[in-house]
Amino acid sequence: DAKTTQPNSMESNEEEPVHLPCNHSTISGTDYIHWYRQLPSQGPEYVIHGLTSNVNNRMASLAIAEDRKSSTLILHRATLRDAAVYYCILRANYGGSQGNLIFGKGTKLSVKP
Amino acid sequence: DAGVIQSPRHEVTEMGQEVTLRCKPISGHNSLFWYRQTMMRGLELLIYFNNNVPIDDSGMPEDRFSAKMPNASFSTLKIQPSEPRDSAVYFCASSNEQWDPPQAYEQYFGPGTRLTVT
Repeated sequence: DAKTTQPNSMESNEEEPVHLPCNHSTISGTDYIHWYRQLPSQGPEYVIHGLTSNVNNRMASLAIAEDRKSSTLILHRATLRDAAVYYCILRANYGGSQGNLIFGKGTKLSVKP
Repeated sequence: DAGVIQSPRHEVTEMGQEVTLRCKPISGHNSLFWYRQTMMRGLELLIYFNNNVPIDDSGMPEDRFSAKMPNASFSTLKIQPSEPRDSAVYFCASSNEQWDPPQAYEQYFGPGTRLTVT
């Protein structure tokens, strides 16, 4: 499985933007970049995913490097509720077990008031 | 929609006892996943069902673990006999996967069952 590398932890101030990096130098052409987050004592929740182009949704933006070997999840204005572990996952666009999510250790984001 | 429902939320049992965890996926979803999360090993996929059929159970730790999905709205994960090293949070997730053409949609996770085996 293609792997991702994320910083173990990051800190942010409330209401400031947060840029969470992810390196995935061995990404293949069929791999989508997915981000999930896990708030304390909850199950993971989907944040965003993309293939080549930058993506925006109500939760965040995903900026993907031109060579696709890295990406950045952008939270435009961090709130205390955004404190969570953020997982960057490469997911093959296949059905069946080839498309399973493989969670790494993620980045633990702390948000200071 | 109520989301993925898991029960019980907490389970404390003694070593050697049988434990059954339950999951109700989101209505209309065709895929169901069981995960286990521990501090040491993180979040691991145990088994994956598509249209009620087990597709990949390579993550099931050993024969003490079994999972069933008798219909589209219910799944169980059973541990018999349980051991202290099975203590973890067990998550169920569901998704609406399509294989032709293949598209992998986001998974929706339940709140988890915290299992403690003493």
